[in-house]
Amino acid sequence: GAVVSQHPSWVICKSGTSVKIECRSLDFQATTMFWYRQFPKQSLMLMATSNEGSKATYEQGVEKDKFLINHASLTLSTLTVTSAHPEDSSFYICSARDHKVDTQYFGPGTRLTVL
Amino acid sequence: DAKTTQPTSMDCAEGRAANLPCNHSTISGNEYVYWYRQIHSQGPQYIIHGLKNNETNEMASLIITEDRKSSTLILPHATLRDTAVYYCIVSDSGSARQLTFGSGTQLTVLP
Repeated sequence: GAVVSQHPSWVICKSGTSVKIECRSLDFQATTMFWYRQFPKQSLMLMATSNEGSKATYEQGVEKDKFLINHASLTLSTLTVTSAHPEDSSFYICSARDHKVDTQYFGPGTRLTVL
Repeated sequence: DAKTTQPTSMDCAEGRAANLPCNHSTISGNEYVYWYRQIHSQGPQYIIHGLKNNETNEMASLIITEDRKSSTLILPHATLRDTAVYYCIVSDSGSARQLTFGSGTQLTVLP
């Protein structure tokens, strides 16, 4: 299947700092990418839909000013967690939609720990 | 409001077929059924998807009932590496095709 990468795979930061996570589709172009969050022993929760060249669409309860999303090209979307706090510690996963096969492919995830 | 219902957990003997059921009684005509799996601490892996007809690929087979209200994912010869949480998802009918994850089925393949 198609490959989606994320960077970094894990990050530890101090409370109050900002963290940027990159999501890349390596062998296809993705006009639509998605960002999910997963807490321990829970399922994936959609945070936002990222559209190339336009503003992201956020799910209810997700603060757009805290979780900044940029989808500047057809192969790259970034999620920036601003002023991170310990409660933002989670597993962040992106996916990219390959329109040719109408399928989403997921990245390996980024483990964020905020001290 | 869950669109799919799956058993919480299942066991399967190594080498045997694993049959994972999913109910999606409120599926609409243009919605696909997708299956993903997630091994601990990794991103979900795409397995297979279908609309009406049964589908097969190198990983699994997907059997969809004629009324489309339920489906079964079949792993023909389960291995220990197939131990994972399996998610059955009915796609959003919008153009973005958002995926809403439920609780999934924890499949444990036993030696």
